[in-house]
Amino acid sequence: DAMVIQNPRYQVTQFGKPVTLSCSQTLNHNVMYWYQQKSSQAPKLLFHYYDKDFNNEADTPDNFQSRRPNTSFCFLDIRSPGLGDAAMYLCATTQGPSTDTQYFGPGTRLTVL
Amino acid sequence: RKEVEQDPGPFNVPEGATVAFNCTYSNSASQSFFWYRQDCRKEPKLLMSVYSSGNEDGRFTAQLNRASQYISLLIRDSKLSDSATYLCVVNKVGFKTIFGAGTRLFVKA
Repeated sequence: DAMVIQNPRYQVTQFGKPVTLSCSQTLNHNVMYWYQQKSSQAPKLLFHYYDKDFNNEADTPDNFQSRRPNTSFCFLDIRSPGLGDAAMYLCATTQGPSTDTQYFGPGTRLTVL
Repeated sequence: RKEVEQDPGPFNVPEGATVAFNCTYSNSASQSFFWYRQDCRKEPKLLMSVYSSGNEDGRFTAQLNRASQYISLLIRDSKLSDSATYLCVVNKVGFKTIFGAGTRLFVKA
């Protein structure tokens, strides 16, 4: 049974058109993370939520925002996608601090036209 | 210098070979260490945690050397299904996770 679910799996948007990616989890984990992974590169942490506490990485562009309305769901909003934002976006969860094992969703592959 | 650095790939090995991956990290305050496996266009999946005492899971052995800030992964008797990218992951205090860029492994018949 899927534990971390991401929708959609593939998303195509136009340059500058806002897009929202969704992540849900059945693990009841406290922490949810969003990563950006470009081709042949390491996943790069964008931000995370510990419960309702939002933590942005220092180098995450303002163009990226996130919402966590409840424990199960977390959204990634890209306000004005640029060509350079085309990537795989991975959601992950842990029960506590990142010393725990991270459980990843299957990712959403974003294409910007 | 990157915080987590891995061997450049790709590694091309025949079935049955033993292959070793290395990873170094720069932050001595790093707390926990993992190897993840990522198949092409899929999400990373945990392969194993890494401890100073070393740990083994079947054909896979991982080792941590805190003094040298070095992590290794050894795969014995390589299978075709081992072909993937192997990511070294280092966690610092709190919620900071750093991934290495990964080393791609190709196992050929």
